[in-house]
Amino acid sequence: AQSVSQHNHHVILSEAASLELGCNYSYGGTVNLFWYVQYPGQHLQLLLKYFSGDPLVKGIKGFEAEFIKSKFSFNLRKPSVQWSDTAEYFCAVTLYSSASKIIFGSGTRLSIRP
Amino acid sequence: EAGVTQFPSHSVIEKGQTVTLRCDPISGHDNLYWYRRVMGKEIKFLLHFVKESKQDESGMPNNRFLAERTGGTYSTLKVQPAELEDSGVYFCASSQTAALHEQFFGPGTRLTVL
Repeated sequence: AQSVSQHNHHVILSEAASLELGCNYSYGGTVNLFWYVQYPGQHLQLLLKYFSGDPLVKGIKGFEAEFIKSKFSFNLRKPSVQWSDTAEYFCAVTLYSSASKIIFGSGTRLSIRP
Repeated sequence: EAGVTQFPSHSVIEKGQTVTLRCDPISGHDNLYWYRRVMGKEIKFLLHFVKESKQDESGMPNNRFLAERTGGTYSTLKVQPAELEDSGVYFCASSQTAALHEQFFGPGTRLTVL
């Protein structure tokens, strides 16, 4: 079955540190890739997405992600985190063959020390 | 513009009881989705409505779960009878089209079955 793996359950960083959250998916066909974020007390919201084209995509709040097809990966990065980035981050995919359902990873909780 | 709303925000019930969760999508959104997150695990797709019709209900766990969307506006998800393993956060999302980058999520309903 198709799945999404997020390698880190909880990441703790200091402000200004660089961030990279790993994400791998298992599916050999065409996929669309997403990162969602849930800030404390808020709704899930879309951070960035990749459908096609440039594999390096930029999202809101200085986040970016790189799609590496050969590695089935879509890692999220930010050069310098802020305390306000404290949230839970979810990697997700949709399969071209079944566009109605989002397949999520288990989430990575990011805590930023001020 | 009002976002996706869900009611109640929390529900605590005993095993064997019935609970009904409600989701009001963004006005004009024909597509409505239900997802569930069991504690610490990934967010899993339950089903997808297009207006009042069930487009995909492949994620529904068993026949104790019944989703409806009468009139193609709000949706309800009933669990009857509830079991301990039904505890989790139930998310609703809506989109104007089936293009997944447009799904907007509600705040979720936290269900605890004792």
